[in-house]
Amino acid sequence: NAGVTQTPKFQVLKTGQSMTLQCAQDMNHNSMYWYRQDPGMGLRLIYYSASEGTTDKGEVPNGYNVSRLNKREFSLRLESAAPSQTSVYFCASSELSQYSNQPQHFGDGTRLSIL
Amino acid sequence: AQKVTQAQTEISVVEKEDVTLDCVYETRDTTYYLFWYKQPPSGELVFLIRRNSFDEQNEISGRYSWNFQKSTSSFNFTITASQVVDSAVYFCALIKDTGRRALTFGSGTRLQVQP
Repeated sequence: NAGVTQTPKFQVLKTGQSMTLQCAQDMNHNSMYWYRQDPGMGLRLIYYSASEGTTDKGEVPNGYNVSRLNKREFSLRLESAAPSQTSVYFCASSELSQYSNQPQHFGDGTRLSIL
Repeated sequence: AQKVTQAQTEISVVEKEDVTLDCVYETRDTTYYLFWYKQPPSGELVFLIRRNSFDEQNEISGRYSWNFQKSTSSFNFTITASQVVDSAVYFCALIKDTGRRALTFGSGTRLQVQP
């Protein structure tokens, strides 16, 4: 029962470097999400994908790009990392249907530090 | 816009005490869903409960209970006879039924249960 798998779990980058956070789910969910969690704050939505081939900006999209590669995978890219992007990143998925009360399932998170 | 407020930043109790975590929300939508998630020290997010806006019945699950009051826009969470393993950050979150179905999180309440 893998659920939502994120890689890597930890990463340290230098300012200006780029990297891609990977996320895959095996629950056949339509919707996938990227959130960031900063100290003292709840999770904030970076990007969202309602279905394969669609993406939409969330609350804090600046400095990020996403790709919904297929139904299973949703990646988050930092083109030029900045210290303000130091955070814990969570990927989530859910089944988007008339029953939108289905809970989102979260990965274990990626701890990213930008020096 | 929607908003979730968890005014209690941190609560400390002694084992076996009861504790209530407060959650107040704002939304213009008539149909919405409320959630509680637990984040233990290991960092993952664990789904606890969901409630839709039509259903104001309180719910009890073991030592956990939830009180949803639409009149006061509150969805409070009570742990009865707390245990050390309950120590975690608890997040209340809201999702609307239309448009972008992404969670809006509160800032979380850190619960410390002392032995």
